[in-house]
Amino acid sequence: DAGVIQSPRHEVTEMGQEVTLRCKPISGHNSLFWYRQTMMRGLELLIYFNNNVPIDDSGMPEDRFSAKMPNASFSTLKIQPSEPRDSAVYFCASVTSGVNNEQFFGPGTRLTVL
Amino acid sequence: AQSVTQPDIHITVSEGASLELRCNYSYGATPYLFWYVQSPGQGLQLLLKYFSGDTLVQGIKGFEAEFKRSQSSFNLRKPSVHWSDAAEYFCAVATSGGSYIPTFGRGTSLIVHP
Repeated sequence: DAGVIQSPRHEVTEMGQEVTLRCKPISGHNSLFWYRQTMMRGLELLIYFNNNVPIDDSGMPEDRFSAKMPNASFSTLKIQPSEPRDSAVYFCASVTSGVNNEQFFGPGTRLTVL
Repeated sequence: AQSVTQPDIHITVSEGASLELRCNYSYGATPYLFWYVQSPGQGLQLLLKYFSGDTLVQGIKGFEAEFKRSQSSFNLRKPSVHWSDAAEYFCAVATSGGSYIPTFGRGTSLIVHP
């Protein structure tokens, strides 16, 4: 298996633009997590899905952030409009069900908003 | 609510020296505990995990960790550090009270001197 795949790996955009980050989880995993990592705040859970359904989005910072999981093999995290303070590394992780919650992380997308 | 503390932001050791990274958690019952490593520009990779049984857990890359209930700790150890071990290390805790969603510590940055 190729592991969790994220694209793009790097994104540079200007303030006010829409940004879409993509994630393909490991086949057979039925939970998916989006994290944001910054020096100031560390690793923050933004949202997670179970069987393609959003379970907890309390970590989504504001309405500018939205996430979807239209099927078991694809998820997006969208920021519209983007702001400089959104600059961070965004990770996607997938997990099989059950209490054995070993998360498999993707390589991350480094987002820079100018 | 579950929480995890990594009291050391940075640790510097010489190559060949032993290593211990500290992790303390806050939870009333026995949690599920994890250590992850993040190399520069990479996602997090699981080193080891504790669910039950033997409190001394062996992981990959020569790492081990010991669960001490009386101290609410899960410290990571390695007897002899290699330069390639320089990375960021994250402790995580998952509990039934948190729906088994891992909460990550802020991380400890390991610097290895030649």
